[in-house]
Amino acid sequence: DGGITQSPKYLFRKEGQNVTLSCEQNLNHDAMYWYRQDPGQGLRLIYYSQIVNDFQKGDIAEGYSVSREKKESFPLTVTSAQKNPTAFYLCASRIFGLAGGQTEQFFGPGTRLTVL
Amino acid sequence: AQKVTQAQTEISVVEKEDVTLDCVYETRDTTYYLFWYKQPPSGELVFLIRRNSFDEQNEISGRYSWNFQKSTSSFNFTITASQVVDSAVYFCALSPNTGNQFYFGTGTSLTVIP
Repeated sequence: DGGITQSPKYLFRKEGQNVTLSCEQNLNHDAMYWYRQDPGQGLRLIYYSQIVNDFQKGDIAEGYSVSREKKESFPLTVTSAQKNPTAFYLCASRIFGLAGGQTEQFFGPGTRLTVL
Repeated sequence: AQKVTQAQTEISVVEKEDVTLDCVYETRDTTYYLFWYKQPPSGELVFLIRRNSFDEQNEISGRYSWNFQKSTSSFNFTITASQVVDSAVYFCALSPNTGNQFYFGTGTSLTVIP
């Protein structure tokens, strides 16, 4: 089945450690996104990528890093520089419409990161 | 500036009641797209609808309907005869035709009481 997978579902990290969240899609989508969701808040954009080997910072990129070496993969690293990393992280992807216009994003199941 | 406001933080209704979730947006772009997503307790956002700024026709899909009004910059979502399975957080989002970013509201948590 086509879709977006994120792993792990739950992740615990000690303060000062870097951790990498996985996001893989087999939908042949062009763009991929990482969002952070905190309780009672909307989705805030961390990074997005339109094409392999290219990505742009979102609104809250500080303390995070990404790579896009393959079209289907967009891992997110939460570094020790991120002061408050405990949150729910969602990965999304979308295809570029042939006729133009913004197509919808499809989301993965999310990773809940807790810093101990 | 792009902004989406969902003023209703939490709503509770009794099963079979109708409920409307409000979404107001701000954008200076003339071409843009609006979306609604549902986030059940499992956490994954589920796409519900996409609407472009040139299409103001209301849309109905089963018990769901959407009312898009450019004059008031609103894109409201109505659930008719609500069911317990409708309990979720609902997000409205905006994406201008230029660029690749999506702007989400803070969501409305809907609880349907049996």
